[in-house]
Amino acid sequence: GAVVSQHPSWVICKSGTSVKIECRSLDFQATTMFWYRQFPKQSLMLMATSNEGSKATYEQGVEKDKFLINHASLTLSTLTVTSAHPEDSSFYICSAREASGRADTQYFGPGTRLTVL
Amino acid sequence: EDKVVQSPLSLVVHEGDTVTLNCSYEVTNFRSLLWYKQEKKAPTFLFMLTSSGIEKKSGRLSSILDKKELFSILNITATQTGDSAIYLCAVKGLYGNKLVFGAGTILRVKS
Repeated sequence: GAVVSQHPSWVICKSGTSVKIECRSLDFQATTMFWYRQFPKQSLMLMATSNEGSKATYEQGVEKDKFLINHASLTLSTLTVTSAHPEDSSFYICSAREASGRADTQYFGPGTRLTVL
Repeated sequence: EDKVVQSPLSLVVHEGDTVTLNCSYEVTNFRSLLWYKQEKKAPTFLFMLTSSGIEKKSGRLSSILDKKELFSILNITATQTGDSAIYLCAVKGLYGNKLVFGAGTILRVKS
């Protein structure tokens, strides 16, 4: 149980284009999903917390107009990187907290590697 | 600001060795500490610790928390090459849902 999927697993795009990444909880309902970014050999940095049906809460320094988050259902959250630039190239990982589960446990998706040319 | 510091940053050992990874933290209203293992993709959950002095164990891995001294250790005995990974420690406060991650320890086990 508690499987989180992400799509796509990798994407290459041209500078200036927008990229959408999906995060789905497959066998549970997630009231809260989290989006992280990880640069090579660095730890996970939380970008934003997404609650179903409400606006995402962004961490300091993360541009909400650049990283659009939508959490329209209890099983799906999307992250759209708008007008992507090479410095946005990174590994993006989502995690989900089960609605009925313990608040501390987050289940991670397999990640999406974004390369912006 | 909540902070998690892991040490060492990297470690190279031989198969069969025992390793101890450290995690110290500063967090307002501590709730729990979690250990994750990250190989090529996303982190996989290892342990969640909430109480001092109670060892959590899973096979060759074990972990313990000291809430007075604000640290946790992750032990791996009889290491195998498959243990090579980044080990991440994260803490959660009482309020809010977010986890604060440490920088991780890169473990490499040589055969």
